Amino acid sequence: TQLLEQSPQFLSIQEGENLTVYCNSSSVFSSLQWYRQEPGEGPVLLVTVVTGGEVKKLKRLTFQFGDARKDSSLHITAAQPGDTGLYLCAVYSGGSNYKLTFGKGTLLTVNP
Amino acid sequence: NAGVTQTPKFQVLKTGQSMTLQCAQDMNHNSMYWYRQDPGMGLRLIYYSASEGTTDKGEVPNGYNVSRLNKREFSLRLESAAPSQTSVYFCASSRLQSNQPQHFGDGTRLSIL
Repeated sequence: TQLLEQSPQFLSIQEGENLTVYCNSSSVFSSLQWYRQEPGEGPVLLVTVVTGGEVKKLKRLTFQFGDARKDSSLHITAAQPGDTGLYLCAVYSGGSNYKLTFGKGTLLTVNP
Repeated sequence: NAGVTQTPKFQVLKTGQSMTLQCAQDMNHNSMYWYRQDPGMGLRLIYYSASEGTTDKGEVPNGYNVSRLNKREFSLRLESAAPSQTSVYFCASSRLQSNQPQHFGDGTRLSIL
């Protein structure tokens, strides 16, 4: 059983469209991280959400942590080709400060 | 501003050969990690080193060994490479505190024939 379920697995949209991707679990977490990975590179942290119900904005990206701290969403407004990449959610699990568990990711393609 | 540097970037091996993947970070981080990334499987933790002098198994340690050479360097060794170890390998580092972000290198693309 996957600890973090991300949906959709693939998403292809046109420039200017809005989109939302999801990261769900049946477990409760103290925090959740979102990373973006561009082709040929390693993941890069976008944001960490800590408080249930928390909303964080990063330019056109809006991140929300569920009230029960079991799920999170990432909304992109007016997507641009530069937003293309693999979006990964991740949590430190099992009470560890070291074992970061990743979801399988959402591969987003934004077409010009 | 190098961050996390991995070498080599690409490698092709034959089954049974050995090799060591190198990783170095210049951010004075205590903790370092090795992951593999496979299509449909996501990123999986192979080994980690919480601090200099310690190493621990992650989710998929079989067939690998690691060495934390000093605070900056953490290497991953394949003693007898198998086709199932064909993957993209990422090294990462972080501070030794809760909820810290991990900083990744650009990966080593390894093919085993």
